[in-house]
Amino acid sequence: AQTVTQSQPEMSVQEAETVTLSCTYDTSESDYYLFWYKQPPSRQMILVIRQEAYKQQNATENRFSVNFQKAAKSFSLKISDSQLGDAAMYFCAYRSASYSGSRLTFGEGTQLTVNP
Amino acid sequence: NAGVTQTPKFQVLKTGQSMTLQCAQDMNHEYMSWYRQDPGMGLRLIHYSVGAGITDQGEVPNGYNVSRSTTEDFPLRLLSAAPSQTSVYFCASSYGSYTEAFFGQGTRLTVV
Repeated sequence: AQTVTQSQPEMSVQEAETVTLSCTYDTSESDYYLFWYKQPPSRQMILVIRQEAYKQQNATENRFSVNFQKAAKSFSLKISDSQLGDAAMYFCAYRSASYSGSRLTFGEGTQLTVNP
Repeated sequence: NAGVTQTPKFQVLKTGQSMTLQCAQDMNHEYMSWYRQDPGMGLRLIHYSVGAGITDQGEVPNGYNVSRSTTEDFPLRLLSAAPSQTSVYFCASSYGSYTEAFFGQGTRLTVV
C-alpha cells in the first residue's frame, strides 16, 4: 500500500518570503500522480498543484512550484512571495494511475502560518 | 456551476442514531468518494464509486454504507452512530481515476 508522509506538522514564514513544505511517499508503482491541496479555515479543500510522475519537468502555478524527485520519492512544495492568504493546512496526496477508482492517499498535513 | 454539494454542514447526533450525509455533483464525474478527516491523520477513504451502481470499500468502511443509484448522487449512511465517528466528512468527485478530485465543503459531525 502507498503511504504519504509530511514530516513538518507546523511551519511558519514571514510575509513576502519563501517557504518549502516537505512530502515523501512510498510506492512500488511507476505511474502515478501527486497533488498538493490547501485547506484554509473555511475547511474547503482547494487544489494547489498537480504533478504527473512521467513528467520530468516540475509543475509550476504562479507562486507555487514543486520539486519532484522521483528516485528519492520526494515531492516538496515551494511557496514564493508568501501572502497572508496562504495561511492554511497543506496536504500532500498520491493517486495511482494503475487501476480504476484509485484512491487519494493523503499525508498528515502541514499547518502553515504566515506572519505579517 | 455548483460543483460538489454536501449537506448538512454541521450535525450533532446521539449515540445509536442513524443519518445520511448527502453529496451531489453536477460535473458528470464518474468517480465519487467519501473521506473522513481527523486531526493528525489527514483524510482517509471510507467508500468510493467508479460509476452508477458500483461501489467499493476504502480504508475505514466499518459503520458506513453507500449507494450510487445515479451519476450525480452519492449518499453516505451512518447506521448506528458512535463517538468514534465524530469527524469532518468530505465528499469528492473526479472525472477519471488519474485526475484531481473536487471536494465538497465538508460536514462536521459530532456524536455524543
